[in-house]
Amino acid sequence: DAKTTQPNSMESNEEEPVHLPCNHSTISGTDYIHWYRQLPSQGPEYVIHGLTSNVNNRMASLAIAEDRKSSTLILHRATLRDAAVYYCILRPVNTGNQFYFGTGTSLTVIP
Amino acid sequence: DAGVTQSPTHLIKTRGQQVTLRCSPKSGHDTVSWYQQALGQGPQFIFQYYEEEERQRGNFPDRFSGHQFPNYSSELNVNALLLGDSALYLCASSWGLNQPQHFGDGTRLSIL
Repeated sequence: DAKTTQPNSMESNEEEPVHLPCNHSTISGTDYIHWYRQLPSQGPEYVIHGLTSNVNNRMASLAIAEDRKSSTLILHRATLRDAAVYYCILRPVNTGNQFYFGTGTSLTVIP
Repeated sequence: DAGVTQSPTHLIKTRGQQVTLRCSPKSGHDTVSWYQQALGQGPQFIFQYYEEEERQRGNFPDRFSGHQFPNYSSELNVNALLLGDSALYLCASSWGLNQPQHFGDGTRLSIL
């Protein structure tokens, strides 16, 4: 399984942008980059995914390095509700949905 | 539109017993995956069901088995329970094999 490396924890002030990094130096050309987050006492929640180009949705933006060996999840204005564990996951295209989650980054949002 | 629902929410068993956990996928979804999440860890993939067949399997022993029904719902069965099986068991569904997954809130299994 292709692996990702994330910082164990990060802090952000409320209403400020947050940049969550992920390294995936062994990524292959057919691996999609997925981000999920898990709030306390809940199952993981899909945030965003991409292959090569940067992606935006209502929740966040995903910036993918040109060599695809790293990516950054951007929360434009952190709220207290964004406090969660964020997982960066690689998933090969057309081989099913087997996800390797790793331990993720625990984000603390400071009021 | 109901999301992924799992039952029961909590369960207590003793070593050696057997347990069945249930999952109803989100409406319109046909693929179900199961994960085990130990305390403080990320979810670990157990297996995935599509068209009523196990399509992929993670590194879990044969004590873990599953089933998918024609209505796409699924069951996870664990035999000969061990203390180490205590965890949160998550079900995720998607449409097809390659779309983002939607997770339920899990079943908390405690083994005494």
